[in-house]
Amino acid sequence: DVKVTQSSRYLVKRTGEKVFLECVQDMDHENMFWYRQDPGLGLRLIYFSYDVKMKEKGDIPEGYSVSREKKERFSLILESASTNQTSMYLCASSPLGGGGILKTQYFGPGTRLLVL
Amino acid sequence: AQTVTQSQPEMSVQEAETVTLSCTYDTSESDYYLFWYKQPPSRQMILVIRQEAYKQQNATENRFSVNFQKAAKSFSLKISDSQLGDAAMYFCAYRWSGANNLFFGTGTRLTVIP
Repeated sequence: DVKVTQSSRYLVKRTGEKVFLECVQDMDHENMFWYRQDPGLGLRLIYFSYDVKMKEKGDIPEGYSVSREKKERFSLILESASTNQTSMYLCASSPLGGGGILKTQYFGPGTRLLVL
Repeated sequence: AQTVTQSQPEMSVQEAETVTLSCTYDTSESDYYLFWYKQPPSRQMILVIRQEAYKQQNATENRFSVNFQKAAKSFSLKISDSQLGDAAMYFCAYRWSGANNLFFGTGTRLTVIP
């Protein structure tokens, strides 16, 4: 079974703090994703990465950065947290090859971030 | 631009009954994939069922089946013999075959009434 883990289930930070959210997958997947989930808005893609040190902006990258130094680990960084970044953050991974349908994404349990 | 619409924010179903969740999408592509994900209150998002656009046959996974209408760009999920464990948020998602990222709908919260 694919396992995607996230470093924290709940996190409380103060405005202006630098926040690191970490995601680790154990299936040697090339692709990794960070989403933000808000009520009524569904999931929105922040960034994704298709290889080590490679990254692509998603739909809402403003205020966020990412780091992928190792294949299994993908970090989301909030350089200066703001209250409008209070949200649920979901990480996902998928394989790169093997045919289109096999690139199904597998999700972590999520991190609920509260910025005060 | 690809968009996915789930017009039912909330649905409820009696235990053992059948419920259908709606999803429509907009795309100019012909080769793509569609997914239904379930997110129970514990928050771990899991894949329920998936469909390749080139396949005419509707996908089925045990009590879960889809009604895929490509011309209408509709992809509904039918849950038969609903169980209490089916209570969750359900998200419809789309991915073009040439891309890695998914586009999600806004979700439908399903309540199962004992």
